[in-house]
Amino acid sequence: RKEVEQDPGPFNVPEGATVAFNCTYSNSASQSFFWYRQDCRKEPKLLMSVYSSGNEDGRFTAQLNRASQYISLLIRDSKLSDSATYLCVVNFLTGGFKTIFGAGTRLFVKA
Amino acid sequence: DADVTQTPRNRITKTGKRIMLECSQTKGHDRMYWYRQDPGLGLRLIYYSFDVKDINKGEISDGYSVSRQAQAKFSLSLESAIPNQTALYFCATSDTGLADNEQFFGPGTRLTVL
Repeated sequence: RKEVEQDPGPFNVPEGATVAFNCTYSNSASQSFFWYRQDCRKEPKLLMSVYSSGNEDGRFTAQLNRASQYISLLIRDSKLSDSATYLCVVNFLTGGFKTIFGAGTRLFVKA
Repeated sequence: DADVTQTPRNRITKTGKRIMLECSQTKGHDRMYWYRQDPGLGLRLIYYSFDVKDINKGEISDGYSVSRQAQAKFSLSLESAIPNQTALYFCATSDTGLADNEQFFGPGTRLTVL
């Protein structure tokens, strides 16, 4: 089992739709969680950190469920410019620093 | 100008050749990382450095070595390249904080080993 797993998609949604991605992680010692966005052939860029209390940034909402060991990303009112790959990232300190990237979920927003 | 730069951006080489990928940053960050990205596998950590002369193995360090001679520079070497090292390589930096910090990535180096 992969340490961080994401549904690879692709998710094809129309503009204005709401779409949600989940990411599960296997190590209960995981400490911090992030969503990164990666455009085709570009470098990943931080979209948002994920906190236990949940956090929102405009149309984006991230949630963490430590008991079930998953994080989620909700995108409301999808825009064409949201089309990208969304990477789930988990950091933990078991046996030293470790950062694990999920393989990513591809999103296509259509007009 | 970009804060994290990588050279070369693209490289095609042959099996057995020695290759060096360079990373430079102007962000003043102490921590630097090298990743490779393969389709369907996500980014995997090769090596990381939390300070000058500090070197730590990541998830997939075999076949690679690194050098951190200055805060701003972190180089990755493939001593004898093999075809399964064909991948997209990213350098990243981050500021203080062992786990809860943002990583800033360079534009990537696309390496092909024939």
